[in-house]
Amino acid sequence: AQSVTQLDSQVPVFEEAPVELRCNYSSSVSVYLFWYVQYPNQGLQLLLKYLSGSTLVESINGFEAEFNKSQTSFHLRKPSVHISDTAEYFCAVSSRIQGAQKLVFGQGTRLTINP
Amino acid sequence: EAGVVQSPRYKIIEKKQPVAFWCNPISGHNTLYWYRQNLGQGPELLIRYENEEAVDDSQLPKDRFSAERLKGVDSTLKIQPAELGDSAVYLCASSSPDRGWTEAFFGQGTRLTVV
Repeated sequence: AQSVTQLDSQVPVFEEAPVELRCNYSSSVSVYLFWYVQYPNQGLQLLLKYLSGSTLVESINGFEAEFNKSQTSFHLRKPSVHISDTAEYFCAVSSRIQGAQKLVFGQGTRLTINP
Repeated sequence: EAGVVQSPRYKIIEKKQPVAFWCNPISGHNTLYWYRQNLGQGPELLIRYENEEAVDDSQLPKDRFSAERLKGVDSTLKIQPAELGDSAVYLCASSSPDRGWTEAFFGQGTRLTVV
């Protein structure tokens, strides 16, 4: 079985500052890793995913995450945040065999951007 | 393509009353999921369908929850009778083997409040 720990429930930052949202996972098998974003009153949207290959993956809106197998981490970073990045961010893990058929989510990190 | 559609968006009911949620997945997606998201938590899988067959319902509280996907397309999740602790957001998602089971698409959710 897999599990996910998001180490911060809330992260307040100022606009244009860098941010890191931390995610650690546990699994006895090879995994896929995901970051989903949930804007206020919206459903979850896939932000980025690690499947294989390069351990650094990027989203279209400037976020990136790095898969670190030795530290079992998949932290999400952005060098300069915008007010529109205010949302809740969920890290998720699945086994490679099951993929999206068996996503296990973390508790979420609420990112608040202050002007 | 149209996304996952859920209705209603919001529902307020008194405890012990029945309630039903409806989901229309993305066209062609044969896998459908119901998740429950408690306040301040990540989503948790309730049930997964492959076409009309429920292949993973281990987390569904079967004493009061039921689900169906009669024609392998739309799905309904029912709670009868509802309890105060059922207040949550109920999310529907769908996925397809065309993407190698690496992405689940979520609807906007139904926010249930039991009073």
